[in-house]
Amino acid sequence: EPEVTQTPSHQVTQMGQEVILRCVPISNHLYFYWYRQILGQKVEFLVSFYNNEISEKSEIFDDQFSVERPDGSNFTLKIRSTKLEDSAMYFCASSEPKPGELFFGEGSRLTVL
Amino acid sequence: GQQLNQSPQSMFIQEGEDVSMNCTSSSIFNTWLWYKQDPGEGPVLLIALYKAGELTSNGRLTAQFGITRKDSFLNISASIPSDVGIYFCAGQRYNQGGKLIFGQGTELSVKP
Repeated sequence: EPEVTQTPSHQVTQMGQEVILRCVPISNHLYFYWYRQILGQKVEFLVSFYNNEISEKSEIFDDQFSVERPDGSNFTLKIRSTKLEDSAMYFCASSEPKPGELFFGEGSRLTVL
Repeated sequence: GQQLNQSPQSMFIQEGEDVSMNCTSSSIFNTWLWYKQDPGEGPVLLIALYKAGELTSNGRLTAQFGITRKDSFLNISASIPSDVGIYFCAGQRYNQGGKLIFGQGTELSVKP
């Protein structure tokens, strides 16, 4: 069964460093998303991406964040200068045009020290 | 803001019991979904609901999209130990780039 894959599974970084999280969405999907989940809390929307541009973003997704689809398969989330409060599990998801049915990856755990 | 209120927060049940959890919102959603999350993993889609009043089953799971479009429930019948996990409801509105708003989750524990 096709799946969303994410790397790395865990990254530890120093505050102020740049981090890039990578995702390979399901191959025939057209919508791509990043969500985050702080430990013990609910899953929060960060950004959605369609047709090579951001279609929706949350207030969390400030200027420190950016997304890119550098080639036909990868979808990346960059955090320019990490803060302690960026420590969370980051989930990539993808969907066909059909509304609602997002498929999530296993997540990348980011720890900022 | 856009909030979903999910209850209960946690449930401790005996294997074989039925379980019910629900989500409510102060505003309308066009799609309701239910996801399950196991520790250290991503949410896995269980059921998607697209029309008000819709009742959909997936094995022992049944979910309904409320008539008002402001609520949904999920029932699990005859629970088994592998049902353990956190269940999240999620709502979606048209023209929001596919964004899902998640509830706070219901943590389910099943005692064999």
